[in-house]
Amino acid sequence: AQSVTQLGSHVSVSEGALVLLRCNYSSSVPPYLFWYVQYPNQGLQLLLKYTSAATLVKGINDFEAEFKKSETSFHLTKPSAHMSDAAEYFCAVTPRRALTFGSGTRLQVQP
Amino acid sequence: DTGVSQDPRHKITKRGQNVTFRCDPISEHNRLYWYRQTLGQGPEFLTYFQNEAQLEKSRLLSDRFSAERPKGSFSTLEIQRTEQGDSAMYLCASSPQAEGRNTEAFFGQGTRLTVV
Repeated sequence: AQSVTQLGSHVSVSEGALVLLRCNYSSSVPPYLFWYVQYPNQGLQLLLKYTSAATLVKGINDFEAEFKKSETSFHLTKPSAHMSDAAEYFCAVTPRRALTFGSGTRLQVQP
Repeated sequence: DTGVSQDPRHKITKRGQNVTFRCDPISEHNRLYWYRQTLGQGPEFLTYFQNEAQLEKSRLLSDRFSAERPKGSFSTLEIQRTEQGDSAMYLCASSPQAEGRNTEAFFGQGTRLTVV
């Protein structure tokens, strides 16, 4: 079985500050891991994915995530937050086909 | 490539009515997924098609729910005798066939269902 835990349902940062969104996973097989972003009343857009190649994964809009097997974590970071980053972020894991999502973290960016 | 398209975007229905949603995946993608997302939660997997074959169904997919993908292209999700608990965003996603366990799934904008 697989699951995802996102620590912190709401995160607030100032514009220009570091963004850190936490994700821990549980998987019975080596996982593929994803981060998606969702803007209000929209579908999900892929930010980045880990597929057992490099453990540090770079995505769109300067986001990156590091796969740490020993910590079963896949935290998402961005060096400098922009107002346009305000959205809901979902971590997801898949051992086969369908994705299992976390409950999401809403990122607020303060001016 | 116009992405994954879902229709309608919004649907308000009375309890007990039937509703049907449509999803048009990216044209060359043979894998299609339906998810349900309630307020404040992440999407939950409902069902998966590879071409026209429905290969996997979640226990969330009660007998009031049925999904089809008759020609391996577009898909429909029907909910019969809707209940207020069915109110949610229904998301469709598609992905191409590839070696290995998975590939990136591309999501549509969803259909928001409100049952009154």
